[in-house]
Amino acid sequence: NAGVMQNPRHLVRRRGQEARLRCSPMKGHSHVYWYRQLPEEGLKFMVYLQKENIIDESGMPKERFSAEFPKEGPSILRIQQVVRGDSAAYFCASSPRVGGTQETQYFGPGTRLLVL
Amino acid sequence: QKEVEQNSGPLSVPEGAIASLNCTYSDRGSQSFFWYRQYSGKSPELIMSIYSNGDKEDGRFTAQLNKASQYVSLLIRDSQPSDSATYLCALDSGGGADGLTFGKGTHLIIQP
Repeated sequence: NAGVMQNPRHLVRRRGQEARLRCSPMKGHSHVYWYRQLPEEGLKFMVYLQKENIIDESGMPKERFSAEFPKEGPSILRIQQVVRGDSAAYFCASSPRVGGTQETQYFGPGTRLLVL
Repeated sequence: QKEVEQNSGPLSVPEGAIASLNCTYSDRGSQSFFWYRQYSGKSPELIMSIYSNGDKEDGRFTAQLNKASQYVSLLIRDSQPSDSATYLCALDSGGGADGLTFGKGTHLIIQP
């Protein structure tokens, strides 16, 4: 059973370019979460999605950042007009989310974004 | 605002000893608690989850939860050098916002 997959694993962009990060959840998981980890900082929640729905984006910066999880294909985190402060590790997690309690989130390997 | 506090360390423990990692939190509505291990440059890996007051054991790991005092801890028995990593405490309040809130982690070093 394949785990959470993310690509690319490393991404280098120049200031002003766009970054697209992809996440395929574990088989059978329909809930996807994106987190950002800045150097020497903890993991910060960004957005929670189900297929074709954004459930909670309270952690997303108001500008330049967007996320989607289409009916077909991976979830995508998109960062427009990147700045150096966007350099971080971006992790995707998925859960099956059955029942009323929080289900365990399993993390992908992450995408390390470096903005030059 | 939900906060999760951990001592950043480093916490140095001799091989074979018990490592004790602690975490306090501010949101009394938190329902689910998790410990993740993260090696440098790698992704978080789930170690334990705990939902009820008391102890939960899994192999060399024991998680302890005290909701009245708002703390959760992780004990690692018979510590091995391979346990050297950053340990992240995370919690979920269960309603509304569905992301986990993480502490900054405790850097654990097991000395051979």
